[in-house]
Amino acid sequence: EAQVTQNPRYLITVTGKKLTVTCSQNMNHEYMSWYRQDPGLGLRQIYYSMNVEVTDKGDVPEGYKVSRKEKRNFPLILESPSPNQTSLYFCASSLQGWANYGYTFGSGTRLTVV
Amino acid sequence: QKEVEQNSGPLSVPEGAIASLNCTYSDRVSQSFFWYRQYSGKSPELIMSIYSNGDKEDGRFTAQLNKASQYVSLLIRDSQPSDSATYLCAVQNTGNQFYFGTGTSLTVIP
Repeated sequence: EAQVTQNPRYLITVTGKKLTVTCSQNMNHEYMSWYRQDPGLGLRQIYYSMNVEVTDKGDVPEGYKVSRKEKRNFPLILESPSPNQTSLYFCASSLQGWANYGYTFGSGTRLTVV
Repeated sequence: QKEVEQNSGPLSVPEGAIASLNCTYSDRVSQSFFWYRQYSGKSPELIMSIYSNGDKEDGRFTAQLNKASQYVSLLIRDSQPSDSATYLCAVQNTGNQFYFGTGTSLTVIP
């Protein structure tokens, strides 16, 4: 089944404790992206990647890191999480960013930082 | 000014009626436009994409694009209770970034 897999689905952590949210897609998509979704603010892009070893900042990159060492994987790293990073996170992929295919989203990761 | 604006609703329509959802965007050179549906607690799923001015129909859904007015809409005909969800408008600019609206909550009343 074609899908984007995120792990974990739920995560509660403490301020300052480094964490990684994994994202993997099995559709051979070049384009991958991370979003956070907050009430009243909608989906906001954190980082995106056009292909392996190519990443770029979205609208809200502060406090996050990403890497794209393999085409299928695009992990989101929070080096020192803070309570304002409590949010619902989605990974998404697309066949080609330029080709306007729209996104396939993962199931989401609900992160709480206390 | 937000890149993409939608009325948050809630919008309520009776079963069988037409639901009309609207979206405006600020970047005049935006290229691609999308409608996503998001059920509570779930991830967004793509309903339709549209790139050219005019209407595009897919089953009970019709997307309408007017680039001169920077306006995108989604019509849902014969609305069903299962259509109750939040509808997200998304716009892709020439810089390959997607911008989402905050969504319109739709409730279809049986």
